[in-house]
Amino acid sequence: DAGVIQSPRHEVTEMGQEVTLRCKPISGHNSLFWYRQTMMRGLELLIYFNNNVPIDDSGMPEDRFSAKMPNASFSTLKIQPSEPRDSAVYFCASSFGNSYGYTFGSGTRLTVV
Amino acid sequence: EDKVVQSPLSLVVHEGDTVTLNCSYEVTNFRSLLWYKQEKKAPTFLFMLTSSGIEKKSGRLSSILDKKELSSILNITATQTGDSAIYLCAVDRNNLFFGTGTRLTVIP
Repeated sequence: DAGVIQSPRHEVTEMGQEVTLRCKPISGHNSLFWYRQTMMRGLELLIYFNNNVPIDDSGMPEDRFSAKMPNASFSTLKIQPSEPRDSAVYFCASSFGNSYGYTFGSGTRLTVV
Repeated sequence: EDKVVQSPLSLVVHEGDTVTLNCSYEVTNFRSLLWYKQEKKAPTFLFMLTSSGIEKKSGRLSSILDKKELSSILNITATQTGDSAIYLCAVDRNNLFFGTGTRLTVIP
């Protein structure tokens, strides 16, 4: 199993541009999570899906952020328009039930200049 | 409001020392507590604790949960430089709620 796959690994963009982060969860996992990590705030949950349905998006900072999961093998996190304060590492994680823990992808390091 | 508090925030020790990392929580809908190690990239899973008082062990690392005190500890014995990392405590409440982590530095 290739694990949770995120792309791109690094993204540098200018303020105001649209950014799309991608995630492929582990096959068979039915829950998917998007986290953001910064030095100041640590790891924060943005949104999570169960069986492709968004369950809790209360962590999404504002309307500039949106996430979709069109099928069980793909999810996107979009920021439009991006701002410098969005600079962070964005992690995707997936799980199946809670018996086996959560597996994280390698993250996307986003820099907005 | 849910909280997960880790202490200390950072720790510097010499190789061979034993360290104890602390995690306390106040979370609704508690299912389990997890420990992760984060080096340069993604957090990697160490332990999942669901029952109070049962120690989980993996090599030089061990962890235990106290549901009465709403806390957990992670012990590392005979530390090595490769143990240098951020150690994250998280509570599973149908999603993972993380503490801010303890940064451990092991000096040769």
